[in-house]
Amino acid sequence: RKEVEQDPGPFNVPEGATVAFNCTYSNSASQSFFWYRQDCRKEPKLLMSVYSSGNEDGRFTAQLNRASQYISLLIRDSKLSDSATYLCVGVTGGGNKLTFGTGTQLKVEL
Amino acid sequence: GAGVSQSPSNKVTEKGKDVELRCDPISGHTALYWYRQSLGQGLEFLIYFQGNSAPDKSGLPSDRFSAERTGGSVSTLTIQRTQQEDSAVYLCASSISSGLGNTIYFGEGSWLTVV
Repeated sequence: RKEVEQDPGPFNVPEGATVAFNCTYSNSASQSFFWYRQDCRKEPKLLMSVYSSGNEDGRFTAQLNRASQYISLLIRDSKLSDSATYLCVGVTGGGNKLTFGTGTQLKVEL
Repeated sequence: GAGVSQSPSNKVTEKGKDVELRCDPISGHTALYWYRQSLGQGLEFLIYFQGNSAPDKSGLPSDRFSAERTGGSVSTLTIQRTQQEDSAVYLCASSISSGLGNTIYFGEGSWLTVV
């Protein structure tokens, strides 16, 4: 079983829709989590950190559920520019090792 | 420089040749990471440096792969006797330190094709 697992998608949604991604992790020692965004043939870029209390940044909300070992990302009022691959990341080893999921592809359409 | 700089950006090499990939992290960043991403796949951890030492090199796929970092700055990833399965984009990242919550910043990657 992979340490961080995501549904690869693609998720095809109309502009303005709300879309949610989940990510599960198997290593209970994972200490923190992030969502990264990766555009086609580009490097990953940090989208947001994930806290148990929830973290909201504009149209984006991230949540961590330690009991069930999953992380979620909610995108409201999706834009065409949100089309990308979203990578879930778990951190272990005192912050030394970041384990990436394979990513969930989102396509926002007119 | 302002960001993580990697070179070459693209490299085509013949099977069996050695290649060297370079990463110049953000100035002042002590932690440096190498990842590999094959086409359509997720990021695969290769090695992590804190300063010049590599506390975790568990991700290096074989003894053909090695990496070093000098002066706490530039790092080189060397692949000897390249194989076709080594074709991937090699991403370098750095962060100000290795502590939890520190953002890591990626370079644009070195795209390696082994023919």
